[in-house]
Amino acid sequence: DIQMTQSPSSLSASVGDRVTITCRASQGLGNNLAWYQQRPGTVPKLLIYAASTLQSGVPSRFSGSGSGTVFTLTISSLQPEDVATYYCQKYNSAPFTFGPGTKVDIK
Amino acid sequence: QVQLVESGGGVVQPGRSLRLSCTTSGFTFSRYGMHWVRQPPGKGLEWVALIWYDGTNKYYADSVKGRFTISRDSPKNTLYLQMNSLTAEDTAVYYCARDASFSGDRFDLWGLGTLVTVSS
Repeated sequence: DIQMTQSPSSLSASVGDRVTITCRASQGLGNNLAWYQQRPGTVPKLLIYAASTLQSGVPSRFSGSGSGTVFTLTISSLQPEDVATYYCQKYNSAPFTFGPGTKVDIK
Repeated sequence: QVQLVESGGGVVQPGRSLRLSCTTSGFTFSRYGMHWVRQPPGKGLEWVALIWYDGTNKYYADSVKGRFTISRDSPKNTLYLQMNSLTAEDTAVYYCARDASFSGDRFDLWGLGTLVTVSS
């Protein structure tokens, strides 16, 4: 099975900072990669799919890039409401494995 | 209103069984694949199972294969997860999630989850 890793596992940044999270797959996924945001105490929410397509209603400060085995999620200007854990996920085929998550805090 | 509502969670002894339900509304249930995802307390997300829109194909995580069964009842707009031979490692919040297509894609809608605690 394809393994998913994320780096860093956690980060702390200031409001307005640019934040980048990296997701790596052990085998190529094409662009079948999604990003989810899970705020504390809430349900996961789809942010980005097809590696770079923004889900409807998601603020434009979020963006995704990459293909194959390396993908990135970028928050161009971190806001207080972005405090959350972010997960990448492969969906090219079962199993639909999630990455271990990256916890984002405000410094 | 488009929503997914899980039910059936609770405290169960190791080795026993439990059936979760996910009642859906606001969309054409029979057109979408459906998933179960779980999250142990304080930990990350783990995909559990997928059932195609028409129920013809089912896929499972290795950790539950042979113990869990996913099913659906389209006239009732309801998804199920039958969980047998439960162990402490199955303790988690269980979410149902809608697949964006009929057979395996991103998860575009999530329920609020139901907590399953396996403990003696």
